[in-house]
Amino acid sequence: GQNIDQPTEMTATEGAIVQINCTYQTSGFNGLFWYQQHAGEAPTFLSYNVLDGLEEKGRFSSFLSRSKGYSYLLLKELQMKDSASYLCAVQDSNYQLIWGAGTKLIIKP
Amino acid sequence: ETGVTQTPRHLVMGMTNKKSLKCEQHLGHNAMYWYKQSAKKPLELMFVYSLEERVENNSVPSRFSPECPNSSHLFLHLHTLQPEDSALYLCASSQEVASGANVLTFGAGSRLTVL
Repeated sequence: GQNIDQPTEMTATEGAIVQINCTYQTSGFNGLFWYQQHAGEAPTFLSYNVLDGLEEKGRFSSFLSRSKGYSYLLLKELQMKDSASYLCAVQDSNYQLIWGAGTKLIIKP
Repeated sequence: ETGVTQTPRHLVMGMTNKKSLKCEQHLGHNAMYWYKQSAKKPLELMFVYSLEERVENNSVPSRFSPECPNSSHLFLHLHTLQPEDSALYLCASSQEVASGANVLTFGAGSRLTVL
């Protein structure tokens, strides 16, 4: 079966760095997405990786290793507004999105 | 505002009621989706429409009935629901159904409680 694993919850301190991991086993691969979802709000697109390596976008970076079935989202200079759930999703060979259950990130002052 | 608007934001209904959820997108996208989001579970894809034609129905119970009258509007008609159907229902849209970087734009969801 197809599966996406990510930690259920993480806690970090304002100003610090946090890495949210995502591992996947899917039928084929056509890209990996990260979305951010604040409580009571819509999930919003953060990043898309289809080739191995690091994609940097401001304070957020996303890394992909297709051979290891592994990705991480790196958040730097954490701010209180980064408290949210982070959803990892993989597009399989049929371009269907397989979703993880999300990681709830709690930022403490 | 994401460009995808869902109404109502909150809905409480009894098991014998009939209600509808509405979704409207102002992005000119060709594909629209209904997802179910339950606490600590992955998003569950329910229905996919491409240019008003249903292209996917993931074994959803018949008490959920989708309708897509045009490419900007999507409805989810609800009848004789069960308490386990209580969840956040998310609508999303994208440029196409199956493409490389198929970024979804989500609405804020309709929080449904079935008593």
